[in-house]
Amino acid sequence: ELKVEQNPLFLSMQEGKNYTIYCNYSTTSDRLYWYRQDPGKSLESLFVLLSNGAVKQEGRLMASLDTKARLSTLHITAAVHDLSATYFCFPQTSGSRLTFGEGTQLTVNP
Amino acid sequence: DTAVSQTPKYLVTQMGNDKSIKCEQNLGHDTMYWYKQDSKKFLKIMFSYNNKELIINETVPNRFSPKSPDKAHLNLHINSLELGDSAVYFCASREGGNTEAFFGQGTRLTVV
Repeated sequence: ELKVEQNPLFLSMQEGKNYTIYCNYSTTSDRLYWYRQDPGKSLESLFVLLSNGAVKQEGRLMASLDTKARLSTLHITAAVHDLSATYFCFPQTSGSRLTFGEGTQLTVNP
Repeated sequence: DTAVSQTPKYLVTQMGNDKSIKCEQNLGHDTMYWYKQDSKKFLKIMFSYNNKELIINETVPNRFSPKSPDKAHLNLHINSLELGDSAVYFCASREGGNTEAFFGQGTRLTVV
């Protein structure tokens, strides 16, 4: 059974700082999604990483995938308040089950 | 056009009542899901249907019964509601096993 661990689960950071969120997963996966959930809202897809070594960037967020280490990272550069949200990773595996990480609740303080 | 829509968005009800949440997707996807999100934001899968057929049925109380009248709809009926059922319930859909999932806006259920 796939296990997905994110850390940290809670992250409070100041504007302008950098930080990385980690997503470890337990079984083979060659595709991974990152989702964002704003408070009280639904989940929206941020990135899909399609292969080992894939890197995607949008604005202050950059995601990467290492399928050999079964690790994805979401790096935040010069955080701003608008990035405050919960971030979920979702490694794609065979079958229909969607197993998400526990989520990282990010709060960016002025 | 809303891709995955759930109704109602908010539901407040008393313990012991029976309620339903509806979900519809207009994306033509084959697979639909119900997730429960607790206060800690953890997303727990409850059910999944593929072309109206139940394929995932997690260990949820049998008071929860999904129904899929067609592949565009997946409804969730809950009998004898309990305080612990209070959560946000999300419907999601996707096409096949290798694509992103699209989520509904969620239904915040509060049992009092």
